[in-house]
Amino acid sequence: EVQLVESGGGLVQPGRSMKLSCAASGFTFNNYDMAWVCQAPKKGLEWVATINYDDSGTYYRDSVKGRFTISRDNAKSTLYLQMDSLRSEDTATYYCVRDDSYYFDYWGQGVMVTVSS
Amino acid sequence: EIVLTQSPTTMTASPGEKVTITCRASSSVSYMHWYQQKPGASPKPWIYETSKLASGVPDRFSGSGSGTSYSLTINNMEAEDAATYYCQQWNYPSMWTFGGGTKLELK
Repeated sequence: EVQLVESGGGLVQPGRSMKLSCAASGFTFNNYDMAWVCQAPKKGLEWVATINYDDSGTYYRDSVKGRFTISRDNAKSTLYLQMDSLRSEDTATYYCVRDDSYYFDYWGQGVMVTVSS
Repeated sequence: EIVLTQSPTTMTASPGEKVTITCRASSSVSYMHWYQQKPGASPKPWIYETSKLASGVPDRFSGSGSGTSYSLTINNMEAEDAATYYCQQWNYPSMWTFGGGTKLELK
């Protein structure tokens, strides 16, 4: 059974950093691109970032370029999202998702990130 | 950048009713994916590559479309279908984009 379990969320002050992790199991992690998708409270879904299965490329939405870094450790089957210079508008639930040919076929339960002083 | 516009944004349907949700792209795209989300839950993959049903999706659901216009249809609405539905596509250089969502409520 495919499982994606996020961790690392919480309350953080504006301008500070936070790192999210996603532990994957039930599939061959290094065969798949992985991504983060977020959802602000009572809002819609937004793609945040994607990383290729072999770490050969990373892609970001414009609003997080230069502030967020997506990475992975294939030996540990773990995906990460390093979020720096956080802003109030980054407040959202962040989902770890598996990308199967540009389609998000498995989603984690989500982790809440609140940016507030 | 490709923008996906869903309509309607909110709708109600009675049990047994036929429901159609539309997703329009600002430029032509090759296919559309759809997700279902219920309150307090993660989104679920629902329809992929325009018309293929994800595992476990009832066959009263269908997807169609091409170019800039895509739709998700429910034949014979059931109570469990009440949810928010999002369309999604991938395109270079816009990358992955979602529609704003359509909230479907039971009448």
